[in-house]
Amino acid sequence: DTGVSQDPRHKITKRGQNVTFRCDPISEHNRLYWYRQTLGQGPEFLTYFQNEAQLEKSRLLSDRFSAERPKGSFSTLEIQRTEQGDSAMYLCASSSDGGKDEQYFGPGTRLTVT
Amino acid sequence: AQSVTQLGSHVSVSEGALVLLRCNYSSSVPPYLFWYVQYPNQGLQLLLKYTSAATLVKGINGFEAEFKKSETSFHLTKPSAHMSDAAEYFCAVNLSGGYQKVTFGIGTKLQVIP
Repeated sequence: DTGVSQDPRHKITKRGQNVTFRCDPISEHNRLYWYRQTLGQGPEFLTYFQNEAQLEKSRLLSDRFSAERPKGSFSTLEIQRTEQGDSAMYLCASSSDGGKDEQYFGPGTRLTVT
Repeated sequence: AQSVTQLGSHVSVSEGALVLLRCNYSSSVPPYLFWYVQYPNQGLQLLLKYTSAATLVKGINGFEAEFKKSETSFHLTKPSAHMSDAAEYFCAVNLSGGYQKVTFGIGTKLQVIP
């Protein structure tokens, strides 16, 4: 098991463009999470999936953001019409069932919107 | 509702000195508590977790933390700082009972002075 992977690691885009990020969780984990982390802050929860079902979305996830996990394995996070305020590190994590189980984080995708 | 407060966004210690990073939590039900470490441009790595078993929890790299319900605290300590401990540390809380929305503190950046 190679852990949680994310692709790409870095993305530079112009304002108004759409971007899509991918996350591959640890294979036996059925829970997957997306977080956003800006400079000087801790990760902020965006959304979470149990298998293919998206069970919760943060108010931070505006209509321009959409996340999918179509087969309960990898997930994608798409941002439409990017804005400079979207510049951040986007972190993906996965865990097995149970609140006590820690979340395993990927290396993140750093998005820069110019 | 749940939250964590990390006191001190920056902490400096001399190599070999005691490391103490403070975390206080707020939770309406018994919490699960975590400490994560983040090195530059990397994801978060779990140091240790409290899940209502022993109140003194030992983690990796010589770190430990003690859950004190009366003080609603979960401070992270290490007897002797090493240069490789320089990183950012995040305290996080998750409600017990399987609810998976983890809330992170803003982080404490640890500097180790040779």
